[in-house]
Amino acid sequence: DTAVSQTPKYLVTQMGNDKSIKCEQNLGHDTMYWYKQDSKKFLKIMFSYNNKELIINETVPNRFSPKSPDKAHLNLHINSLELGDSAVYFCASSHTSGGFSGNTIYFGEGSWLTVV
Amino acid sequence: AQTVTQSQPEMSVQEAETVTLSCTYDTSESNYYLFWYKQPPSRQMILVIRQEAYKQQNATENRFSVNFQKAAKSFSLKISDSQLGDTAMYFCAFMTFAGNQFYFGTGTSLTVIP
Repeated sequence: DTAVSQTPKYLVTQMGNDKSIKCEQNLGHDTMYWYKQDSKKFLKIMFSYNNKELIINETVPNRFSPKSPDKAHLNLHINSLELGDSAVYFCASSHTSGGFSGNTIYFGEGSWLTVV
Repeated sequence: AQTVTQSQPEMSVQEAETVTLSCTYDTSESNYYLFWYKQPPSRQMILVIRQEAYKQQNATENRFSVNFQKAAKSFSLKISDSQLGDTAMYFCAFMTFAGNQFYFGTGTSLTVIP
């Protein structure tokens, strides 16, 4: 069973469209993340949610809106897609116990978004 | 704020030889976690090795080991007996003790030459 799964894996869409990427984790983690990896392979955090509450909201356009219906899901909705949004988007999760619990972050396989 | 620096954008190594990837970080915290992730061309992020800052002993996972120097804030990855399948991007990463912040370095592209 996949621990962190995201769909779709590949997405090609036209400029101006609205699209969503879904993410689910079955690890029982309480924190989920969205990362963007550009063509230079820099990994940049976009959002972090802890128990459905937004913790980190880096400087991203407000066209990007995360939604966490429960702590096992963190979806990313993108409005009015632009060419520069083309990237690989990674969902990830971890457990934030605040102690010596062996924190590790686990990643989904990535969603390859191409805007044409 | 925490920062993670990987000063080697690209490296290469002959098959079966040993290579060391460097990573330095900056933090004011005393307890934290450090990681090395491997990203092959498939773009899947694979955890290679993990180190808790409160442990002095260097972590080891088969052919992969780290040299953790807490005072110097250095966390290098050594790959022994390099294999073709080790060709990938390698990211060093830092996680706060609370686990609520996670930072990546810019990556090192490693090529294993047959």
